[in-house]
Amino acid sequence: QSVLTQPPSVSAAPGQKVTISCSGSSSNIGNNYVSWYQQLPGTAPKLLIFENNKRPSGIPDRFSGSKSGTSATLGITGLQTGDEADYYCGTWDGSLSAYVFGTGTKVTVL
Amino acid sequence: QVQLQESGPGLVKPSQTLSLTCTVSGGSISSGNFYWSWIRQPAGKGLEWIGRIYSSGSTNYNPSLKSRVTISVDTSKNQFSLNLNSVTAADTAVYYCARGYITVTTNWGQGTLVTVSS
Repeated sequence: QSVLTQPPSVSAAPGQKVTISCSGSSSNIGNNYVSWYQQLPGTAPKLLIFENNKRPSGIPDRFSGSKSGTSATLGITGLQTGDEADYYCGTWDGSLSAYVFGTGTKVTVL
Repeated sequence: QVQLQESGPGLVKPSQTLSLTCTVSGGSISSGNFYWSWIRQPAGKGLEWIGRIYSSGSTNYNPSLKSRVTISVDTSKNQFSLNLNSVTAADTAVYYCARGYITVTTNWGQGTLVTVSS
C-alpha cells in the first residue's frame, strides 16, 4: 500500500477548479520535492509538476502545485473535458530509500 | 528529445523470471546525472515503483520487491534491464521504463503488458 494518500476521485463542471491533496510524512513530502503526473486513459503517465510547483515546458498554467509541511496539492483551473484523467503525486522517501507514488485521484468533468 | 521503449515477452509462466529491456534513444544512458527506473501498474490500479539504477551503477529497489528484483545497465547498447524472479499472477501489469532525477520521473516509455499465466 502507498505511503502517500490521495482522494480517490474529484469532480467539477467545465471551467471550474479542482484541487487534489497528497498527504505524506516527514520521511517523504516533508523533506523532498513533490512531483505530479497525469495519466490519460490508456496512456503512460506524463509529468505535470516538479519541485513542488514548477511546470515543464508545454504544461499550461491552469495546472499548479504547492506544498506545505507533509502535504502537497495539485490545482487545476478552467477545467476541460481533456483533463479527465488519473493524477498521481510522487516523491522520494528517505526512510524507505524508495520512490513512492500516491494512491491516485480520478478527475471527472461533469 | 529522449525516447524510451520497453521490450520483452508478453507472457511469463508462474515461478519463472520476467525479463524486460528498455532501449534509450535521443541521448546516452551514461551521460548526465539521471536515474533509470522501472514502474508497473496492474490493470485498474495505481503506479508501483519497482526500482532504479543511477548513472554510476548504484541501485535502489522497492523494499517489497527487493528480494526478487535486479536492474542493470548495458551502456554499449544504450539499454537498461529489469529481471523479476519467482513471478506470480500478482506480477501481471503494464511495465514502464522511465528516466528522471531523485524526486521526479521526467520521461516515460509507452509501457508493455506482461501477463503471468501458465
